[in-house]
Amino acid sequence: AQSVAQPEDQVNVAEGNPLTVKCTYSVSGNPYLFWYVQYPNRGLQFLLKYITGDNLVKGSYGFEAEFNKSQTSFHLKKPSALVSDSALYFCAVRDGYRDDKIIFGKGTRLHILP
Amino acid sequence: NAGVTQTPKFQVLKTGQSMTLQCAQDMNHNSMYWYRQDPGMGLRLIYYSASEGTTDKGEVPNGYNVSRLNKREFSLRLESAAPSQTSVYFCASKFGRMDTDTQYFGPGTRLTVL
Repeated sequence: AQSVAQPEDQVNVAEGNPLTVKCTYSVSGNPYLFWYVQYPNRGLQFLLKYITGDNLVKGSYGFEAEFNKSQTSFHLKKPSALVSDSALYFCAVRDGYRDDKIIFGKGTRLHILP
Repeated sequence: NAGVTQTPKFQVLKTGQSMTLQCAQDMNHNSMYWYRQDPGMGLRLIYYSASEGTTDKGEVPNGYNVSRLNKREFSLRLESAAPSQTSVYFCASKFGRMDTDTQYFGPGTRLTVL
């Protein structure tokens, strides 16, 4: 069965510093990987995805993510954090060889300190 | 386009009562999903529907039923609500298996079971 893990419940970063939010996954086929962001009292918003191709994926709001097949990881990164990046971030995976099931991780709360 | 809409936004039930959460999308999407969000548990998939007329169990289907009424609508029913079903429920949709797999989320329904 597919699964996704976000090992950090919370990440604190000073404004202007680089940030990383970690995600690892497990699938039986080729992974389709996603990052979503949730602001308070809102639904989830899509940030970026990896389907195939270049291991470095660029997305919305200056975020990017690096796909590493050997480490089964898909970490979210941003070179310079903004206070407005503070939110809850979710990693998700779909097993490319299976059906339409998409599983989310537990989420990581990102705090950007001014 | 309204995107993904959910009704109601808030609901309080007593243990044993039943209710149906409604979800509709106007993007001509094929796939629809129901998730619940709980603190520390992230988003967990309840049921999903890859196309009109089909439904499949997700990670936590017990205590729920779904109906894919037509291509636009996907409802979630609680037959006999329990306090453990207190949660925020999100509906999501996406075009289908052959597209870019981006899910669009509704604003959520906050359910409290007393």
